[in-house]
Amino acid sequence: DQQVKQNSPSLSVQEGRISILNCDYTNSMFDYFLWYKKYPAEGPTFLISISSIKDKNEDGRFTVFLNKSAKHLSLHIVPSQPGDSAVYFCAASKYNFNKFYFGSGTKLNVKP
Amino acid sequence: EAEVAQSPRYKITEKSQAVAFWCDPISGHATLYWYRQILGQGPELLVQFQDESVVDDSQLPKDRFSAERLKGVDSTLKIQPAELGDSAMYLCASSLGGQGRDNEQFFGPGTRLTVL
Repeated sequence: DQQVKQNSPSLSVQEGRISILNCDYTNSMFDYFLWYKKYPAEGPTFLISISSIKDKNEDGRFTVFLNKSAKHLSLHIVPSQPGDSAVYFCAASKYNFNKFYFGSGTKLNVKP
Repeated sequence: EAEVAQSPRYKITEKSQAVAFWCDPISGHATLYWYRQILGQGPELLVQFQDESVVDDSQLPKDRFSAERLKGVDSTLKIQPAELGDSAMYLCASSLGGQGRDNEQFFGPGTRLTVL
């Protein structure tokens, strides 16, 4: 039973435009969410996180939005750069537990 | 910058053989995780250690998989015997083990296992 879902396996965006990656979750107990980025032959690296007390968190070109009622979060990258091309995983956990549930990932391709 | 180390990076083995993977977490990180990532899927937790104790191994196929972290530092994941379906990336991660950002997991580069 997959508790975190990323329904788009891939996304292609032109350099300079906005990339929007989506993630849905089913467990209403989740209250902490993260995005990881993964390049080929490397382990995932932390990108940005958000707790359920917020609906938006911004870090430079990256913004994560959380819609608790819809159990949906999204990652916006503006402007997109070719170096952003990677697989992006969303993950969810309960704040006082350190077990993460990962989505299946979205492969982002930013075209020059 | 401190990193999680894993070895080997690649392993090819025949089914029914034994394989072992090693992980050295970031110094001071109390929590260590082993994940399996099948191509096209997200990482799936196999086992989680808090210091030397297992706190979650509910998804570990215990008939063939074992994991240990004897001194609460580095860890070994073993598969015996390996099966074709075990072909995957095995990722190790570590964290401080607190709340919020202290939960942030730092991943190693992984071991790519191919079972023939």
